[in-house]
Amino acid sequence: GAGVSQSPSNKVTEKGKDVELRCDPISGHTALYWYRQSLGQGLEFLIYFQGNSAPDKSGLPSDRFSAERTGGSVSTLTIQRTQQEDSAVYLCASRLGQLETQYFGPGTRLLVL
Amino acid sequence: AQSVTQLDSQVPVFEEAPVELRCNYSSSVSVYLFWYVQYPNQGLQLLLKYLSGSTLVKGINGFEAEFNKSQTSFHLRKPSVHISDTAEYFCAVSKAAGNKLTFGGGTRVLVKP
Repeated sequence: GAGVSQSPSNKVTEKGKDVELRCDPISGHTALYWYRQSLGQGLEFLIYFQGNSAPDKSGLPSDRFSAERTGGSVSTLTIQRTQQEDSAVYLCASRLGQLETQYFGPGTRLLVL
Repeated sequence: AQSVTQLDSQVPVFEEAPVELRCNYSSSVSVYLFWYVQYPNQGLQLLLKYLSGSTLVKGINGFEAEFNKSQTSFHLRKPSVHISDTAEYFCAVSKAAGNKLTFGGGTRVLVKP
């Protein structure tokens, strides 16, 4: 597969549980982004990884949210003690060069009951 | 900080008619501008982008957009729509190439036969 992949495609969890969402970027892409798409807030930036630089975490809504990118490739977004307002579609994107396009994955639809 | 306003949340249009989706932005610095399309249950796909140069940008699927710096607008147009253009369209800006995207609220286009 040549595109960005995300897993799981759907996740239902109970309030208070932790969840991990995975993103596999396009091979060789140096930059990786997480966004969230929700009915109330629209599409919003969460976090951005670029090579070995410190990530831009300015969009993370609370300290319950964290993300890591291992080996400059796969990324995991972790939400601890999930709340109902965390229900959204979490989108991952990756990019090759500085002027290149961000390519988006299909998203993970998270529902917190 | 940047912000993006898409003035129309929904645009119904008949097949083969023209469509224009409006996008205005505010920013204290120069920006890069993008239009993305999201088909039902899919991720975001880039339609076109303005980085520099000609203010009229042509994209995929017959779409084009014009950057107007004085009016801080980047409206999207298509002269003749197809049923398959039914989707949600997002305008986005970034303040640097490769930087995080700030999205508008989206415009849902419904093409009627």
